[in-house]
Amino acid sequence: GNSVTQMEGPVTLSEEAFLTINCTYTATGYPSLFWYVQYPGEGLQLLLKATKADDKGSNKGFEATYRKETTSFHLEKGSVQVSDSAVYFCSGGSNYKLTFGKGTLLTVNP
Amino acid sequence: NAGVTQTPKFQVLKTGQSMTLQCAQDMNHEYMSWYRQDPGMGLRLIHYSVGAGITDQGEVPNGYNVSRSTTEDFPLRLLSAAPSQTSVYFCASSSQGNTLHFGNGTRLTVT
Repeated sequence: GNSVTQMEGPVTLSEEAFLTINCTYTATGYPSLFWYVQYPGEGLQLLLKATKADDKGSNKGFEATYRKETTSFHLEKGSVQVSDSAVYFCSGGSNYKLTFGKGTLLTVNP
Repeated sequence: NAGVTQTPKFQVLKTGQSMTLQCAQDMNHEYMSWYRQDPGMGLRLIHYSVGAGITDQGEVPNGYNVSRSTTEDFPLRLLSAAPSQTSVYFCASSSQGNTLHFGNGTRLTVT
């Protein structure tokens, strides 16, 4: 079956630091890949997605590129803000069945 | 639009009690699903539905029942609650493209 492995953290950064959260996937075929974000007390929100190899998803300064050769979809942001503090989930799948990673807690300090 | 609405937000049950977690969406999405979120486990799929009258099991279906009589509603039933079902439950819906829209969750404690 499909599986998603992401850096577990927690990750603590200072404001304006560079962020990378690693994510790799195992799947049959070529699944769509997603990053979701969960702010405290809320449900998950889609952050960005990529549907095929070499696609780059981007939103709110975050980026991730679908790398088929390394089966990876690492999340990056050049300069994090305190408001980016949240839990980030990598996920992948197709046919409406998504598999999620365990989540990475990011804390950004002023 | 309300999006995906879950009720209740919090619930405490005793072992053996039954209850139904409600989920409704107003986006006319054909696909709906239930996940549970546990510390260190991420989200795991319990049941899903690809349209009214059609349901299927996900990764962790035991102890839960679902039905989909309308496009809008997808209730999750616990017939006999167990402490292992203490978790945060999320309902989600989507249309094409697999982008899930999540509710704000139901925090369930079983004592």
